[in-house]
Formats: sequence, C-alpha cells, structure tokens
Amino acid sequence: KNEVEQSPQNLTAQEGEFITINCSYSVGISALHWLQQHPGGGIVSLFMLSSGKKKHGRLIATINIQEKHSSLHITASHPRDSAVYICAVVRAAGNKLTFGGGTRVLVKP
Amino acid sequence: ETGVTQTPRHLVMGMTNKKSLKCEQHLGHNAMYWYKQSAKKPLELMFVYSLEERVENNSVPSRFSPECPNSSHLFLHLHTLQPEDSALYLCASSQGGCPGPYEQYFGPGTRLTVT
Repeated sequence: KNEVEQSPQNLTAQEGEFITINCSYSVGISALHWLQQHPGGGIVSLFMLSSGKKKHGRLIATINIQEKHSSLHITASHPRDSAVYICAVVRAAGNKLTFGGGTRVLVKP
Repeated sequence: ETGVTQTPRHLVMGMTNKKSLKCEQHLGHNAMYWYKQSAKKPLELMFVYSLEERVENNSVPSRFSPECPNSSHLFLHLHTLQPEDSALYLCASSQGGCPGPYEQYFGPGTRLTVT
C-alpha cells in the first residue's frame, strides 16, 4: 500500500461544478502539498499546509492531521482547471516529498 | 515563469550514449532536487542537494550521476541507460536547512526517451 493515496484517480466534471479530490496518508508529516501538473509536464505548487484550511481564488485546501486526510476543492470549475492534481507529504523530518498517484481532472465546457 | 529552468526539454538517446540534463534556479534557493516521473507511477525523489552537499540518494542506480557545482545549478549525468529509464525528469528548488518544511518550485521537466 502506498504511503499516500489519492481518490478518485480520474474525475470528469461539467463547467461550473464543485470538485473535491481526497488525499490520505499513513506516515507522520510536517506538511502537505497540493500540486498541479498540466499536459507537457510542468508542476505548479498550489498549497503547502500543515493545519486547517487555505484558500486561493477558487481553490480551497483543508487538512485534518488527526485523521491523516486532506482535501482539495475547486469551486465553479472551468475547463482551464483540467490537469493532474498531486498530493505530496513532507515527512516529519527533512524536506523530502512523498507523492500520491495523482488525480486526473477533466472539466468539460 | 517559475524561476526554475531545465534543458533540454526533450532528449532521445541510445543506450550507449552519455548525456547530461541541466537545471538552473533563479530564486536564491539553496536546496535542489531531481525527481523521476514514469508513466502510470507516482513521482519519485532521486537526489537532494542542500547547500551544494548531497543529502539524499534514494537508491538510484549508478548510471545516474548528479552534480551540483553551486547553489544555482544542478546536473544529472546519464550513461548506459536502459529503456525503462525513459521518463519525465523534473528538477525543483527550495529554501534549505532548518526549520523547514519549504515550498518547492519545479522546472518544466526533461522528457527523456531511451532507445
């Protein structure tokens, strides 16, 4: 079993819909990252969080340390949100990232 | 513009070739990372350099050889690769040292095909 599990693996939504991606992990962490990867490969860091909730535009990330779970929400989804979203955790020591398998999101107009 | 550049963006090489991937960061960071992304597998950490010292070698075969001549540049030297080494190779940078953790900034990647 991977240390970081994401669900769903694939998600298709209609433009305007609310999207939720889940991440569960089994190790002690000091922080969790949500990353976005567009076709072509480049990765952009969306959030780094260690507690509570962060919001940036239409994106909201939450984390529950006790339950070892994080969610990424996309409100009012748009076709340009189509990408792979990757959850990655930072172990309690160091800055090494351990990655989930990614969630491929397709938003249809 | 992420502040982290990688060259080349695409590389095709034979199994007997020697090539190098280059990464440069313009963000004033002092930690740099190489990651490998194979098809249908999660991203894997390969190497970490902090303050130009290698602090992590994640059981990577010796046919991959990293070099960090200064805090802004990171190389990955490749020799006698196998077809299964075909992947997207991503470089990232961040602040380093204590207390951490720090956000990592990724380059666009080099798509490597080994024939």
